[in-house]
Amino acid sequence: GAVVSQHPSRVICKSGTSVKIECRSLDFQATTMFWYRQFPKKSLMLMATSNEGSKATYEQGVEKDKFLINHASLTLSTLTVTSAHPEDSSFYICSARDREGPAQETQYFGPGTRLLVL
Amino acid sequence: GQNIDQPTEMTATEGAIVQINCTYQTSGFNGLFWYQQHAGEAPTFLSYNVLDGLEEKGRFSSFLSRSKGYSYLLLKELQMKDSASYLCAVMDSNYQLIWGAGTKLIIKP
Repeated sequence: GAVVSQHPSRVICKSGTSVKIECRSLDFQATTMFWYRQFPKKSLMLMATSNEGSKATYEQGVEKDKFLINHASLTLSTLTVTSAHPEDSSFYICSARDREGPAQETQYFGPGTRLLVL
Repeated sequence: GQNIDQPTEMTATEGAIVQINCTYQTSGFNGLFWYQQHAGEAPTFLSYNVLDGLEEKGRFSSFLSRSKGYSYLLLKELQMKDSASYLCAVMDSNYQLIWGAGTKLIIKP
């Protein structure tokens, strides 16, 4: 099946610093990648949709200047949390759509990145 | 507005069968997904239904009725490792996934 990796899996940083999270599709090309965040015992919240070679589309209420997304290639998208604050502490998950897969619109998820801002 | 409803929590016994229901109201429909999510991990894909009927895959089956806006995930021969949250998600007319809050399934010996 389609494999998506995410790095780092866990990061602790000081308030005010920036953190970059990478999302890679390992064995397929993903023209579209998605970034979610999830708070404890809550469902996934879509932050933005990232299309290769174009600007990301952000969901309402998500600050694009704070959560920078770059999708430079068909296998890599990055999310940078700029000037992180404790309220940004969360579980960040990326997913990629495998356009060649058996269910064309299926999203495959990376393992997630747990961010803790002190 | 768009809405996905599923029970918050269910409890079942090891070896038994459990059915997790999901009802939805969305702007358009391009398929319904079920994902499994263990605590602290990302979701993993279980099933995809776009036509009415039952899709069986091993111990797991998923059913869809588009006219009723209803789906269920059926888990047979429950194992302790099936303890997890089960997320129902519907793809709307814009190919956006609308997520339910998830059903936490607790398996007891």
